[in-house]
Amino acid sequence: SAVISQKPSRDICQRGTSLTIQCQVDSQVTMMFWYRQQPGQSLTLIATANQGSEATYESGFVIDKFPISRPNLTFSTLTVSNMSPEDSSIYLCSVEERGGSEAFFGQGTRLTVV
Amino acid sequence: EDQVTQSPEALRLQEGESSSLNCSYTVSGLRGLFWYRQDPGKGPEFLFTLYSAGEEKEKERLKATLTKKESFLHITAPKPEDSATYLCAVQDTSGTYKYIFGTGTRLKVLA
Repeated sequence: SAVISQKPSRDICQRGTSLTIQCQVDSQVTMMFWYRQQPGQSLTLIATANQGSEATYESGFVIDKFPISRPNLTFSTLTVSNMSPEDSSIYLCSVEERGGSEAFFGQGTRLTVV
Repeated sequence: EDQVTQSPEALRLQEGESSSLNCSYTVSGLRGLFWYRQDPGKGPEFLFTLYSAGEEKEKERLKATLTKKESFLHITAPKPEDSATYLCAVQDTSGTYKYIFGTGTRLKVLA
């Protein structure tokens, strides 16, 4: 299975600032996903990021707030922009390997906005 | 719209006390149903994929089964290290590759 490294693992940020989360995979993957997991809740898909195309955002999430880059088949970033305390959450990167159907997850980024 | 409902929300078991977790789903066409384990502060860890009704998968003390409407995760003679949140997700055949997750079952196994 793919090994996924996410950075940073946690951060405390001031409101109004932005944080960029990096996701590095040890193999080339087609599908990359970004999820949010609020305290005590399940995973909510933010967007799907395919290399060479614009990310596809889910209802309730917009590109201006959560810009995503996918420059190649092993790397992606998610930026949380103009943060407010409501953005405090765990953000997870996930990949689906070529030819596979199950998704694998990074360890997550625990974000606290103060 | 695809939906996943898991029950119970929380479960406390004595060590060795077998039980089952339920995942009910509604999906237009099932590409796969997935079980994950999540420990506090960590990302979900993949356990099983099930593709069609009647399929079963086993791993150590865990066994996953699938019908056309629900999946069960059976835990046989659990140990304290099985304590975690167990998540169920479905992926449909629409081609979007989206995973829809349930809210999970928090399992606590007492020694």
